[in-house]
Amino acid sequence: GQNIDQPTEMTATEGAIVQINCTYQTSGFNGLFWYQQHAGEAPTFLSYNVLDGLEEKGRFSSFLSRSKGYSYLLLKELQMKDSASYLCAEILTGGGNKLTFGTGTQLKVEL
Amino acid sequence: ETGVTQTPRHLVMGMTNKKSLKCEQHLGHNAMYWYKQSAKKPLELMFVYNFKEQTENNSVPSRFSPECPNSSHLFLHLHTLQPEDSALYLCASSQGVAGNTIYFGEGSWLTVV
Repeated sequence: GQNIDQPTEMTATEGAIVQINCTYQTSGFNGLFWYQQHAGEAPTFLSYNVLDGLEEKGRFSSFLSRSKGYSYLLLKELQMKDSASYLCAEILTGGGNKLTFGTGTQLKVEL
Repeated sequence: ETGVTQTPRHLVMGMTNKKSLKCEQHLGHNAMYWYKQSAKKPLELMFVYNFKEQTENNSVPSRFSPECPNSSHLFLHLHTLQPEDSALYLCASSQGVAGNTIYFGEGSWLTVV
């Protein structure tokens, strides 16, 4: 977890756009995941980036810059149900499928 | 429904008890994992099994004993736990261990008293 840095909490307004940033260890980097976790529920897969650029999936997009060790998750047209923890995780080369997670960003969507 | 089912969802046990957590995946995956999620801490990998063989033990104390009888089932046997072991234990599975997406179960909330 110490290799992944993301904000602890964020608050945004329904209908707005929010960007959740994540910085990670670049040495041995082999891919970056974003998961969403509602309280008391399983983390659910949102996106996987291994190449530079923006991946768009409906209201959610994820961006990666390998040279900067930086990713963000962009949520558009926020809805109340988007209130959740957003987990950034990386895979390192030679590490099998071991994900290293950040502590997560707790997003609160308000009216 | 994630395709990964964990039981029990909630467990309270004393420090001298022996209990087990069970996980079953219905996704046809061949890799299974145990993760621990404590409050205010990142998800921590505990064990990885690939085709029933343990490929990773992340320095987990021996009071946690995993068992993987086949690629669809994974157990975590618990014995003489400590109160600090209270956490959410998440099972997960994936198709292989080469950067494939990991799918999580809803977890078992464990409280050690």
